[in-house]
Formats: sequence, structure tokens, C-alpha cells
Amino acid sequence: QVQLVQSGAEVRNPGASVKVSCKASGYTFTDYYIHWVRQAPGQGLEWMGRINPDSGDTKYAQKFQGRVTMTWDTSISTAYMNLSRLTSDDTAVYYCARHIATTVSLGGMDVWGQGTTVTVSS
Amino acid sequence: SYVLTQPPSVSLAPGQTARITCGGNDIGSKSVHWYQQRPGQAPVRVVYDDSDRPSGIPERFSGSNSGNTATLTISRVEAGDEADYYCQVWDSSDHWVFGGGTKLTVL
Repeated sequence: QVQLVQSGAEVRNPGASVKVSCKASGYTFTDYYIHWVRQAPGQGLEWMGRINPDSGDTKYAQKFQGRVTMTWDTSISTAYMNLSRLTSDDTAVYYCARHIATTVSLGGMDVWGQGTTVTVSS
Repeated sequence: SYVLTQPPSVSLAPGQTARITCGGNDIGSKSVHWYQQRPGQAPVRVVYDDSDRPSGIPERFSGSNSGNTATLTISRVEAGDEADYYCQVWDSSDHWVFGGGTKLTVL
């Protein structure tokens, strides 16, 4: 079945970086964008950016420009999100989600990963 | 950047109809998607492209979009519908935007 499986929880000190993985299965990896969405404790959903695994094209939310890098490895159908210079405000659950690449606006995000908790604390 | 506005909460009794709104400038010209998120779980898409329903989502869930307001309607609300609901659109700057979310409480 179609699924996105994310890496496990992480704890980091302020100023450090974290890399979260998202492994896709059950579909052609390059046919769908992978988006990253985060949710701070008790807060709403926040879009961070997306990567097109077919072309490598990325788009980042302005808030995260310069701190986030999204990459991929087609050979293992896995996308990655690296966030640097962490602060306590980055403590959140990070989700990956897929979106069909044949359209930029239609369909929405139809499959989501289970989420990865990132805790930033000294 | 584009802003989507949702009411923080909606409360109603079982069997009633819930209408959750999502306001945005000329949102009627955009495709709106809706997600349900139960506590501790990942979001689930319940309506896409304004009014389409994914397979497996009950017919009680429907959507509409016109002018400056999109609406998610849940008919005959059940206890299991209690969750947070988020609207979402793609912005012309190639960014995706979520509304602030609405907590649906079934009394």
C-alpha cells in the first residue's frame, strides 16, 4: 500500500541541525512532490516547503529560507529535510506529505507520514 | 502572503450539521483542500478541489467555495468527527498556505 514512513524522534541542542527522512513506498516516487509541514505543540499546521523528486526543484517558505534544505535519493525513494540553527521555537512534529506532480494546485496532499517529533532543548 | 481565516472552534450536538468556514481574498478563484486531524495523529484529507471527496471519506463530508469564503460541511455530526479541521490553498507565489484550524467539538 501507499505509505510514507518517517525517521524517529530527535533531540537536539540549540544551534544544532536535524535531518528527518521520509521513505516512500507503493507508488512511483518521482510522480509526486514531497512537502514538509510542521506543527508546534498546541499550534496549527505550517508549510515549510516542497521538493520535486523528478527534477530536484525546491521551493521553501520564506520563513525558513537559509535554514532549511530539502533533498532526495531516488534510488531508495527517500526524501530528507534538514533544518539548521535550531532554537526552542523549532520544537514541533514534522510531517512529510505527497502531492501529485501533474498539477501545482489541485488534489491537495493525499498521503502523509506519521510525523517525527523534534525537541530542541539544552 | 495569502491569509486564510478560520473560526477557532465550532461546537454542536450529535446529529446536527457543522459548517466550518475558511475566509480568504477571492478564495473562490482557488482550489481549496480540507484536512481532519485527530489528537496525536497525522492529518487526513477529507475534501479536495473545493468539493471532491476521497475514497473512504463518508458522504456526510462536503465542501463548497465561492467569493471570499470556502465551507466544509459535515452532516449528521458524530462523536468520531471531533477533531481539528484545516483548510489549505496553493498561492500564486508557489507556496502552500494553511488556515489556522478549527476545533470541532461534539457535545
